[in-house]
Amino acid sequence: KAGVTQTPRYLIKTRGQQVTLSCSPISGHRSVSWYQQTPGQGLQFLFEYFSETQRNKGNFPGRFSGRQFSNSRSEMNVSTLELGDSALYLCASWEGVVGYEQYFGPGTRLTVT
Amino acid sequence: AQSVTQLDSQVPVFEEAPVELRCNYSSSVSVYLFWYVQYPNQGLQLLLKYLSGSTLVKGINGFEAEFNKSQTSFHLRKPSVHISDTAEYFCAVSETDAGKSTFGDGTTLTVKP
Repeated sequence: KAGVTQTPRYLIKTRGQQVTLSCSPISGHRSVSWYQQTPGQGLQFLFEYFSETQRNKGNFPGRFSGRQFSNSRSEMNVSTLELGDSALYLCASWEGVVGYEQYFGPGTRLTVT
Repeated sequence: AQSVTQLDSQVPVFEEAPVELRCNYSSSVSVYLFWYVQYPNQGLQLLLKYLSGSTLVKGINGFEAEFNKSQTSFHLRKPSVHISDTAEYFCAVSETDAGKSTFGDGTTLTVKP
C-alpha cells in the first residue's frame, strides 16, 4: 500500500496570507488527523476527521480549519497567517477504529515570513 | 485532561549499550499508549503500542516497552543500540482513540560509536 502523502512538502508564505495543505491517506483509512510540530510547543493535535465529519478538535484558534472529502483526502486551511504558524504540519491516517494505529505522512514545512 | 512527560530531553549512549527512554503520563481514565520515532525531515513512525493485555509490549527494531499502571509509566527500552537508532523519540497517550493523541516533548537519542 502507498503511504500517507502530503503536498506540498515545503511552502513559504507571507504574514496575512492564507494557505491550504493537502493530505492523502492510506487507501481504506477513514480517519485523518492533523498535528502541528514546532520546536517550542512540540507536537500539538489540531483536529481529526472521520468519514467527512470532524470528530475531535484541539485548542487552536478558528483561523485553523479543515475538511475531509468523500475519498478520505483531507485539507487544512490556515487563514491570516502569523509568524508563529511556521511549523511542520503532520497528517496521520488510520482506520478510525480502536485497536489500530496512526500512520504519519512526511509533513509540510510551512515558513511564514 | 491527559498529559505526557518525557523525563529526558537528550540521551547520549554508546553503540551496543542498552538504553531506556522514560515516559510518564497523567490521565483520569484508561489510556492507550504509543512510542514513535522521527528521523530528520521525516514524519513519525510507530515503534509500538499498548492498548490492553500484556504489560510488556514488543515493537519494531528490537524495542520494547513496559506499561506500569501504578506508576503511570511507559518506558521504552532496547538492550543494544545501533548508530541507526539515532533519532527523536516521542511518547504519546490517548484516552479515546489513536486519532487524538497527546505527545510528550520528545527525547533525542544519540548513539555514539
